[in-house]
Amino acid sequence: KAGVTQTPRYLIKTRGQQVTLSCSPISGHRSVSWYQQTPGQGLQFLFEYFSETQRNKGNFPGRFSGRQFSNSRSEMNVSTLELGDSALYLCASSSGTSGTTREQYFGPGTRLTVT
Amino acid sequence: GDSVTQMEGPVTLSEEAFLTINCTYTATGYPSLFWYVQYPGEGLQLLLKATKADDKGSNKGFEATYRKETTSFHLEKGSVQVSDSAVYFCALSQGAQKLVFGQGTRLTINP
Repeated sequence: KAGVTQTPRYLIKTRGQQVTLSCSPISGHRSVSWYQQTPGQGLQFLFEYFSETQRNKGNFPGRFSGRQFSNSRSEMNVSTLELGDSALYLCASSSGTSGTTREQYFGPGTRLTVT
Repeated sequence: GDSVTQMEGPVTLSEEAFLTINCTYTATGYPSLFWYVQYPGEGLQLLLKATKADDKGSNKGFEATYRKETTSFHLEKGSVQVSDSAVYFCALSQGAQKLVFGQGTRLTINP
């Protein structure tokens, strides 16, 4: 079974621009979560989507948004980029349904650099 | 809110040494506990998990026991190898696909 894939792997953007990152989950997984990893803040939960609906959201500003498509693929968008948005963005998929905890499988991440 | 605290790194050991990485958690309910490993330039890989008190997770020679009384989930391995060099993350989850991570512990094994 193919793993979680993320595109692009590397991205360089300028302050004020916006960016869209893509994630394809493991086949059959309907839950997709996004995390931000930085040296200072570590790994922080952004949001989770299940069957095209956002189920959980972390403490990030509204500039961070996401969506999920009917084939479970997910995108996250960051508008008006700031230098502090430079990070590794990780996507994870899971077979978990509402109210259950299932292990999450992570993709390799997208390294975003904001200059 | 829920939180996870790991021992500070970096940790440097010689090959075949015994490894312990401490992890304690704070949570209002009864979370599931996980250890993830991150190799350079890669995403996270699930190493092991435990879903209830006294459960022992194990994989690739690593073990961790869910201790409710001490709210701990320490990672251990009897004999480490150079290939175990990576960053290790302890994490918890409570009935949702949201992981709360510790700050990570960088482990380096010297031959």
